[in-house]
Amino acid sequence: QQPVQSPQAVILREGEDAVINCSSSKALYSVHWYRQKHGEAPVFLMILLKGGEQKGHDKISASFNEKKQQSSLYLTASQLSYSGTYFCGTEAFDAGNMLTFGGGTRLMVKP
Amino acid sequence: DGGITQSPKYLFRKEGQNVTLSCEQNLNHDAMYWYRQDPGQGLRLIYYSQIVNDFQKGDIAEGYSVSREKKESFPLTVTSAQKNPTAFYLCASSIDRGVNEQFFGPGTRLTVL
Repeated sequence: QQPVQSPQAVILREGEDAVINCSSSKALYSVHWYRQKHGEAPVFLMILLKGGEQKGHDKISASFNEKKQQSSLYLTASQLSYSGTYFCGTEAFDAGNMLTFGGGTRLMVKP
Repeated sequence: DGGITQSPKYLFRKEGQNVTLSCEQNLNHDAMYWYRQDPGQGLRLIYYSQIVNDFQKGDIAEGYSVSREKKESFPLTVTSAQKNPTAFYLCASSIDRGVNEQFFGPGTRLTVL
């Protein structure tokens, strides 16, 4: 089952902060975050694993609540380059390394 | 430079025709994936392969077929059995079957006329 992302869309001014949430009904082993700009391929941001390990960029922060099967991506001091659609991909314990992606959150940063 | 290439970038097909989308990677990755993306929606997994000569169905495999005869190549065939094939198709790879980032190709936009 597809994870649910919220909000579906958000508009920010440069310098403002945003939080994007991802929620699953399945027991998760990991959560992946990607950003996609219009017409382009998704680009990796971060992986959060059960147990607290994280792999990703230093300037991106995220959390993974294993009990609630929820993850949040924190975008602070947003820049124009942050604009795009953010997707979470969840890996359930019974998924065999398969990712199931959410519907995406569209982020627009304005000057 | 290492990366993933997909060809063609745009593809037009008549109804009832099979078409094959190319995906090549020179990253020496074991795992490869095919996703479908419809406008305004997320990515849905069609097929994935974790090793040469082996592949598994994803969530929406009906009407698609794949092969993995070489480590660097994972072509996707969209058959006439796929009822609504117009979409953006993305190929990805990761270093192995563990929990690793996926690297995506530039995509192929398929339109059925």
